[in-house]
Amino acid sequence: SQQGEEDPQALSIQEGENATMNCSYKTSINNLQWYRQNSGRGLVHLILIRSNEREKHSGRLRVTLDTSKKSSSLLITASRAADTASYFCATDAGTGNQFYFGTGTSLTVIP
Amino acid sequence: DTGVSQDPRHKITKRGQNVTFRCDPISEHNRLYWYRQTLGQGPEFLTYFQNEAQLEKSRLLSDRFSAERPKGSFSTLEIQRTEQGDSAMYLCASRTGGVDEQYFGPGTRLTVT
Repeated sequence: SQQGEEDPQALSIQEGENATMNCSYKTSINNLQWYRQNSGRGLVHLILIRSNEREKHSGRLRVTLDTSKKSSSLLITASRAADTASYFCATDAGTGNQFYFGTGTSLTVIP
Repeated sequence: DTGVSQDPRHKITKRGQNVTFRCDPISEHNRLYWYRQTLGQGPEFLTYFQNEAQLEKSRLLSDRFSAERPKGSFSTLEIQRTEQGDSAMYLCASRTGGVDEQYFGPGTRLTVT
């Protein structure tokens, strides 16, 4: 079964707007990662946040982590059509070896 | 291109046949993962290798599935007596120890007719 769930399942925005997607997970973690998947292709790692971190930035990406609520959010600012993809969160469930992915948020950025 | 390659990219097989997929990880990566992804879902963990040792297997991995990583380099995933429910994308990923970022291959899409 999936360790995490993303919300919303689908999101459609205009180019230039910000996109926010959320991830909830079930068990304690060492870190949480976000990945992007373009249609029918492999996943690409975007950003990792450790359990002792609360916020992290990378370019147009901002990730927050609330371990008390077992949730994370990914913010993409100034979205572009090329950001159209599915976004997944992944956690290690404290194992450090096995990684569990959520169900994903499908983002569509309309030019 | 992440540097992880998978072969074949697509495989169509009839129910009951055996199939084998290959994954070539990034050469210095000692950890290798197999995942299965069905339409509209996230990747599901199947198994994990550290060098040539298979250290973790998901309960999803039935007896019909077997994976190997001889010499700690490339890996193969074999499915025996395929069923229609095996139709999915099979993804391989690799990473180095101490770094949790995984590099994914493009996947092998399996269709069982």
